[in-house]
Amino acid sequence: AQRVTQPEKLLSVFKGAPVELKCNYSYSGSPELFWYVQYSRQRLQLLLRHISRESIKGFTADLNKGETSFHLKKPFAQEEDSAMYYCALSPRGGYNKLIFGAGTRLAVHP
Amino acid sequence: KAGVTQTPRYLIKTRGQQVTLSCSPISGHRSVSWYQQTPGQGLQFLFEYFSETQRNKGNFPGRFSGRQFSNSRSEMNVSTLELGDSALYLCASDSGGSGEQYFGPGTRLTVT
Repeated sequence: AQRVTQPEKLLSVFKGAPVELKCNYSYSGSPELFWYVQYSRQRLQLLLRHISRESIKGFTADLNKGETSFHLKKPFAQEEDSAMYYCALSPRGGYNKLIFGAGTRLAVHP
Repeated sequence: KAGVTQTPRYLIKTRGQQVTLSCSPISGHRSVSWYQQTPGQGLQFLFEYFSETQRNKGNFPGRFSGRQFSNSRSEMNVSTLELGDSALYLCASDSGGSGEQYFGPGTRLTVT
């Protein structure tokens, strides 16, 4: 079965603290993995994808095929990082089908 | 470039009715995907169209259907509405397989 699990509904941290948003996936093969973010009153938008290996807004995510994980990390959280974060999987050959996790709300407190 | 637009933004319908939602992708994008978002089930893939052809379909009943026009605009239709169809319906466009989808603001459908 193709599934994405985000075990935390809410992650609450203080400004300057490290952040790790967890994502585990279930897929028999090599999927493409993404992190999407939705800021308050804004649209869902792509944050980063594993094949680009970029760091966006200080966030990074490493694909661990052994643990089937794609955790999102940032060393020092900022208040503007407060948002809803969704991990998503696209099956190989699945074109633009995205399987989303339930999402984690990140709250960064001053 | 203008972003993905969806109309209408809000809709209230009665059980048993049908509804049509519209999505205009970013200019030049040929792929349009549709998602349903509910508090209980989260974001679920409905279907994807590319160059007027349905390329992929999620696990939804046949009451949910869609189409895409030659200008890449897409519509989705839900027939015989049920209370459980109340949701935010999102569409997203992509240039054609990059995997980076651009989402619209959604249409909030309430079925009473």
